[in-house]
Order: sequence, then structure tokens, then C-alpha cells
Amino acid sequence: NFMLTQPHSVSESPGKTVTISCTRSSGSIASNYVQWYQQRPGSAPTTVIYEDNQRPSGVPDRFSGSIDSSSNSASLTISGLKTEDEADYYCQSYDSSNPWVFGGGTKLTVL
Amino acid sequence: QVQLQESGPGLVKPSQTLSLTCTVSGGSISSGGYYWSWIRQHPGKGLEWIGYIYYSGSTYYNPSLKSRVTISVDTSKNQFSLKLSSVTAADTAVYYCARGWAAGADYWGQGTLVTVSS
Repeated sequence: NFMLTQPHSVSESPGKTVTISCTRSSGSIASNYVQWYQQRPGSAPTTVIYEDNQRPSGVPDRFSGSIDSSSNSASLTISGLKTEDEADYYCQSYDSSNPWVFGGGTKLTVL
Repeated sequence: QVQLQESGPGLVKPSQTLSLTCTVSGGSISSGGYYWSWIRQHPGKGLEWIGYIYYSGSTYYNPSLKSRVTISVDTSKNQFSLKLSSVTAADTAVYYCARGWAAGADYWGQGTLVTVSS
């Protein structure tokens, strides 16, 4: 089994750029797609990135995803931060033995 | 646009079976190569994948819950269901249904809180 490790919390000011990391414990990050979900307080998760770097329709291009094989990690970058971006963010990936493994989540504070 | 809605009892007694249904609108549950999933979130905690059913009927479950979980689909009603047996207080959580593919989810339901208590 593999795990996905995220920072517990990050904070940044409105208008700035923030990056949230997601490190895979074993197996290559590049071997299986990574998804990112946003969960605003009191709401259900929504998908903001799928297949490493694809944005669903309706998700602003301020959200971008990438992977870095050298650190075996994925990243979610949000530019031009808005107060409405304040939420919990979860990464998720899989492999042939472990469908849908979630990271522990990162609380983004926009202050 | 696809929409999913969970329904079922909000209170279940310990040792009983938790039963939830997810009704899908805006698309047929039997068309396309989608996985229909259940995910839960314990109060104040992260997301935990429970399992999913492929549109063909094949099921895949989280090994930690496999002995207690059954996911089924009713194409005539465009619904899929979750049954979790022998529940304890540790099963108290918000339960989400979601549509997705092998890699992950695209559409999520709004979630339903299930409390296990006598």
C-alpha cells in the first residue's frame, strides 16, 4: 500500500500564489494519475484537477496541477488567490492494488 | 450535468446494517465506462474511499471494510446503493456518493450524515 502525504495547512494572502504538495510514499507518482479535490467548509468535495493537470469545465485557470518525478510528488498551484479559495484540498491517486487513495488534506487559509 | 443525491436513514443502531442509496440524474448509470463510488468522511477528518461498482457490475472494496460492505446497482431506477453491516460508532460519518473512473471522481453528491447510536 502507498500513502499520499500533504501539509496539514498553508496560508497566503489574497492575490498571491500558493502551492500544495502531495508526496507518494512508494511507487512512481508518474505511473498513476493524480486528482485534486476542493472542499469548502460545510460542503461536499468538488474536483478541481484530474489526470495530473486537467481542469474540469468551470474551474478557473488559476488552478493548475503538476507532477515532479524527482520528488515523487504532485502539486496543486492556485494563483491570484481569492478568499473563496479558502478550503480543504485533497489529493488522490491509485494503483492496481489500491483504488482511490486520498491524502490527508491541506487546509488553505487566505488571509 | 450529472447530479447525485444520497438518501437513507440518518440514525442507525449499533450492530445493524447501514443502507444508503444514491440517485443519479442527468445521465444513465448503465452507459459509459464509469465507476459509481462511495466515500465517507468522519467528523473533522479526511476522506476515506469505501468502494465502487463499475457500470458492468464489477465491484471493488476498500480492504479495511471489505468484509462488511456491499455495493449494488439498480439500473431501472438509475440508482446505486451501499450496505455496511455490523456498524459501530466508528462508522459515524458523512457518506458521499460519486461518479468517476478508475483514476478518480468527477461528480460528487452533497453527502449525508449517518450517526450510529442506540
